[in-house]
Amino acid sequence: AQSVTQPDIHITVSEGASLELRCNYSYGATPYLFWYVQSPGQGLQLLLKYFSGDTLVQGIKGFEAEFKRSQSSFNLRKPSVHWSDAAEYFCAVVINTGNQFYFGTGTSLTVIP
Amino acid sequence: EAGVAQSPRYKIIEKRQSVAFWCNPISGHATLYWYQQILGQGPKLLIQFQNNGVVDDSQLPKDRFSAERLKGVDSTLKIQPAKLEDSAVYLCASSIRLAEYNEQFFGPGTRLTVL
Repeated sequence: AQSVTQPDIHITVSEGASLELRCNYSYGATPYLFWYVQSPGQGLQLLLKYFSGDTLVQGIKGFEAEFKRSQSSFNLRKPSVHWSDAAEYFCAVVINTGNQFYFGTGTSLTVIP
Repeated sequence: EAGVAQSPRYKIIEKRQSVAFWCNPISGHATLYWYQQILGQGPKLLIQFQNNGVVDDSQLPKDRFSAERLKGVDSTLKIQPAKLEDSAVYLCASSIRLAEYNEQFFGPGTRLTVL
């Protein structure tokens, strides 16, 4: 069965510090991978996605993620966090039959001054 | 471009009552999804439409949940009767067409509280 694991339920970082959010997936083949952000009261917004090719992908708002096949991981990074980045972050895997997303449980990010 | 619209934004009902949610996807998007997001969890797909046909409803509790997309545009999700465990945010999303590489665009959701 497909699954997505986000080991960190909650992370707190200082503004200006670097950030890495972890995501591991369990799937037989290389999946399509996504990171979404959800601000309070808002719908999910796509940050970036990986399908194939360069394993380091750039997204919006200064985020990037690296696909590591050997580790079945797709970690999200940002070199310098802004207070407005405080939100819930979801990693998602799409299987290749019908665009069905499997979401992780999310990581809540708090940014302190 | 207008985004995915959902209404109502909030709903509070007693258990065993009925409730309906409405979604209007982005114009021209053929694929529509309904997700349930319980507090502290990631969204879980309930049902997926391609135009007005159901592609996947394997995780929809069909004894109490129903959904339709009659004209291939907007959609309604109904719960009848509601249970306490149905308290969640119900998200609607749409994509241009059914393909794994197509981005899904999400609406703001409807927060349901069942008392």
